Amino acid sequence: DTEVTQTPKHLVMGMTNKKSLKCEQHMGHRAMYWYKQKAKKPPELMFVYSYEKLSINESVPSRFSPECPNSSLLNLHLHALQPEDSALYLCASSQVKGATGELFFGEGSRLTVL
Amino acid sequence: GENVEQHPSTLSVQEGDSAVIKCTYSDSASNYFPWYKQELGKRPQLIIDIRSNVGEKKDQRIAVTLNKTAKHFSLHITETQPEDSAVYFCAAAQNNAGNMLTFGGGTRLMVKP
Repeated sequence: DTEVTQTPKHLVMGMTNKKSLKCEQHMGHRAMYWYKQKAKKPPELMFVYSYEKLSINESVPSRFSPECPNSSLLNLHLHALQPEDSALYLCASSQVKGATGELFFGEGSRLTVL
Repeated sequence: GENVEQHPSTLSVQEGDSAVIKCTYSDSASNYFPWYKQELGKRPQLIIDIRSNVGEKKDQRIAVTLNKTAKHFSLHITETQPEDSAVYFCAAAQNNAGNMLTFGGGTRLMVKP
């Protein structure tokens, strides 16, 4: 199984809503990532979890709150978002240190904030 | 931190021609250079990667070259096909630092039949 599964695929929310994005992988990877991708732009790193601990937070606003409940799951909790937060949110996983170094991306959750 | 520049931003070629995309990076500590292909509405997928102990790597119609001294690396696609049409991202990372990729700005490749 070389898949990273993200749900939901699409999400529309108002600025006062609270929602969560979910990500799951069963490749035994101990590094998991959240990236944000705007249209026609490269993915931008938001958070990195290594061995279920937050190791990198790329100055992301607190309205985005990541959570890694176990080695297979990664969540991104959303609250009081702004319209400019509308984007494709990509989850990825990889070995923490390894020969391949490949990031495996999920299909993404396309978020629209009204 | 690392900065990756990618050129060109768009590239249009005729089917069967070759396509070359170039990237430069700033951090001499970077040692892992993957290329990702992202079709419209799809996830980025790794197509080839190279490490700093290798100068060139080839996989069928795709090849990547790396010049560590000049801090640049390139993607070469030969005999292009319409299904090669996509956005291609180069990236750089320190492989022993958790594979945190810094992406280039992307190249939209269009292969005209």
